[in-house]
Amino acid sequence: QVQLVQSGAEVKKPGASVKVSCKASGYTFTSYGISWVRQAPGQGLEWMGWISAYNGNTNYAQKLQGRVTMTTDTSTSTAYMELRSLRSDDTAVYYCARDRSLVGATIFDYWGQGTLVTVSS
Amino acid sequence: EIVLTQSPATLSLSPGERATLSCGASQSVSSSYLAWYQQKPGLAPRLLIYDASSRATGIPDRFSGSGSGTDFTLTISRLEPEDFAVYYCQQYGSSLTFGGGTKVEIK
Repeated sequence: QVQLVQSGAEVKKPGASVKVSCKASGYTFTSYGISWVRQAPGQGLEWMGWISAYNGNTNYAQKLQGRVTMTTDTSTSTAYMELRSLRSDDTAVYYCARDRSLVGATIFDYWGQGTLVTVSS
Repeated sequence: EIVLTQSPATLSLSPGERATLSCGASQSVSSSYLAWYQQKPGLAPRLLIYDASSRATGIPDRFSGSGSGTDFTLTISRLEPEDFAVYYCQQYGSSLTFGGGTKVEIK
């Protein structure tokens, strides 16, 4: 069965960076994309960006351009999301999700369990 | 950026009743590239509907989606206890954005 297993919770200070991993299993990793979505406490969903697991092409949300980098390691079927220059309003649960498209972000049919990132001094 | 506005913010209904959730877009959503997700507390969202009206794998037929252009609707024909949750619409026709959500609560 398809599974996306994310790394554990992180606590970071303002200005630091965080890197969250998402290990996929149960499907051909390079046949889909991966999107990252975050959710601040008590708030709605915010799309962060997408990466093709086939060729590494990326598309980031304009708001996060310059602070976020998404990568994949096809040898381990793992996707990574790094967010730099963290601020308190980056505190959120970060989700990876399988995206049905290899061309651009579309719909997300499987999700990771979420990783809580807390930014606090 | 296409802004999605969901209404109402909260819907108070009883099990067995019909739920109608709306999602309005600030611009036309191309090719009806609109999806609906359900989220329960502490859990990741679950895909319900894509391409405005196609049910995702394993989704019961009491969930249906309709609409085009700038107006979309998610209908739950008869609410089951497990349907009380928050619902989000999402467009993927021009970049990708989510609506603010509608909470369906027990009356």
